[in-house]
Amino acid sequence: EPEVTQTPSHQVTQMGQEVILRCVPISNHLYFYWYRQILGQKVEFLVSFYNNEISEKSEIFDDQFSVERPDGSNFTLKIRSTKLEDSAMYFCASQRRGNEKLFFGSGTQLSVL
Amino acid sequence: DAKTTQPNSMESNEEEPVHLPCNHSTISGTDYIHWYRQLPSQGPEYVIHGLTSNVNNRMASLAIAEDRKSSTLILHRATLRDAAVYYCILIETSGSRLTFGEGTQLTVNP
Repeated sequence: EPEVTQTPSHQVTQMGQEVILRCVPISNHLYFYWYRQILGQKVEFLVSFYNNEISEKSEIFDDQFSVERPDGSNFTLKIRSTKLEDSAMYFCASQRRGNEKLFFGSGTQLSVL
Repeated sequence: DAKTTQPNSMESNEEEPVHLPCNHSTISGTDYIHWYRQLPSQGPEYVIHGLTSNVNNRMASLAIAEDRKSSTLILHRATLRDAAVYYCILIETSGSRLTFGEGTQLTVNP
């Protein structure tokens, strides 16, 4: 079965630094998502992306966050100035059509020190 | 978002059927009912989805109430590998916001 790939699997950064989390969605998919999960808590929606623009974003996705699909294959999440509370597992997901199943990557564990 | 409600936890014995309920009384006509599960330290994994009719696949069955206000995920013979958190979520056809609830932690006893 095709897979969503995320890199790196672990990222450690200092508070205030910028991080970029990378995802390669499945090639013929049209809808892309970022979620995060703080340890022991539920999966939280961050942002959805379709047709090269953000479709919807949550309250968590403030001005410090941005997403980009720079080259038609990668889908990145940038956090401009990381905070301690950004420490979480970040999941990318993609979907071929809006009502079909989501494929999730295995996540990037972000630790902000 | 239409909200879903699931029990926090359920327990089953190995090789017995498991019925995981989900209430979604505010579901709209265009919402698809999706089920995902999350094993420890992994990303969510698709299990099954449907709109109105019951659905079967190699992993599970999905029974949808006639009024669509509730659904049940059925694992026909639970195995130890089925121990996970199971999420019922509603997905609009537009595919924008997808909200995970608290999910049901399924424990499978040997």
